[in-house]
Amino acid sequence: EPEVTQTPSHQVTQMGQEVILRCVPISNHLYFYWYRQILGQKVEFLVSFYNNEISEKSEIFDDQFSVERPDGSNFTLKIRSTKLEDSAMYFCASTRDSNGKLFFGSGTQLSVL
Amino acid sequence: ELKVEQNPLFLSMQEGKNYTIYCNYSTTSDRLYWYRQDPGKSLESLFVLLSNGAVKQEGRLMASLDTKARLSTLHITAAVHDLSATYFCAVDHETSGSRLTFGEGTQLTVNP
Repeated sequence: EPEVTQTPSHQVTQMGQEVILRCVPISNHLYFYWYRQILGQKVEFLVSFYNNEISEKSEIFDDQFSVERPDGSNFTLKIRSTKLEDSAMYFCASTRDSNGKLFFGSGTQLSVL
Repeated sequence: ELKVEQNPLFLSMQEGKNYTIYCNYSTTSDRLYWYRQDPGKSLESLFVLLSNGAVKQEGRLMASLDTKARLSTLHITAAVHDLSATYFCAVDHETSGSRLTFGEGTQLTVNP
């Protein structure tokens, strides 16, 4: 079965550093998302992306965050200057239909020291 | 602001027993999802409920949606240890596609 793949699975960085989290959505999917989950808490929406632009973003997704689909397969989340509170599991998700089932990747655990 | 509340948050049950997890949400929506998450793992889609009165079953799990009551239930029948996981409901914002607001999750432990 096709799946959403994310790399790396773990990322450790120093506060203030830039990180890029990478995702390869399912190939015929058109809508792409980033969610995050702080340890022990619920999953939170960050941003949705369709037709090469951001469709919607949450309050969490401030100027330090950006997304990009640099080619036909990758979808990246960049955090320009990481803060301690950015430590979380970041999930990429995709769907073919905006009303359809979201397929989640296995996540990138980001630890900011 | 859309709020999604699950209860209970923690559930410990014995194998063979039945139980129901509840998911209440605060605004109109007719799209609700149930996900399972094992520790340290991703979210596995269990059910997509797209209309009032929708009922779906897979194995020992059955989910239903009542959009008028803004309530979904996940019923577990004759629980087995393999069902131990955290279960999340998530509601789709009516004004946008697939922006999901998740509940806090129900951590289910099934004891032999």
